[in-house]
Amino acid sequence: DGGITQSPKYLFRKEGQNVTLSCEQNLNHDAMYWYRQDPGQGLRLIYYSQIVNDFQKGDIAEGYSVSREKKESFPLTVTSAQKNPTAFYLCASSPRRKIQHFGDGTRLSIL
Amino acid sequence: QKEVEQDPGPLSVPEGAIVSLNCTYSNSAFQYFMWYRQYSRKGPELLMYTYSSGNKEDGRFTAQVDKSSKYISLFIRDSQPSDSATYLCAMNGAGSARQLTFGSGTQLTVLP
Repeated sequence: DGGITQSPKYLFRKEGQNVTLSCEQNLNHDAMYWYRQDPGQGLRLIYYSQIVNDFQKGDIAEGYSVSREKKESFPLTVTSAQKNPTAFYLCASSPRRKIQHFGDGTRLSIL
Repeated sequence: QKEVEQDPGPLSVPEGAIVSLNCTYSNSAFQYFMWYRQYSRKGPELLMYTYSSGNKEDGRFTAQVDKSSKYISLFIRDSQPSDSATYLCAMNGAGSARQLTFGSGTQLTVLP
């Protein structure tokens, strides 16, 4: 089945540690996105990529980094510079400028 | 002021009720409007997608857009317990390839 796979479902981070969240899609979509969801705040855009080897910062990029080496993959690294990383992270993809489809998220917590 | 305002609820209704969910927005450049449904611990799934002002119906769901008032609604008829979820409105402009702007979501519970 075509879809967006995020892994792991749950992730724990220690102080000073970088962690990487995986997002893979087999929908042949050009664009991919990372959002952060906090209770009562909706979704906020972290980074997005419209094409391989190119990506742009969203509204809350500080403390995060991404790469887009393959069309199918858009991993997100939460660095130690992100002081409040506890949240639900959602990856989405879309054909260019079309509707976004979401994965089932990764819940990140601090140990 | 947020670009998109959505009443967070929570909203509880009895099974079979008509549910009305609403969002207002301030950016007149928004032209595409979406409603997503999100079950607990899952990603949002697209319910409705509209472009123009007016109504769009899909089964028990009707999306309504009033661009003059910058107001969108989602109506759910004959609500079911399986409709219990958080509903997110989202929108973007014609030239915006980058992102959707989301409301904060309304948590709905349909009681059997």
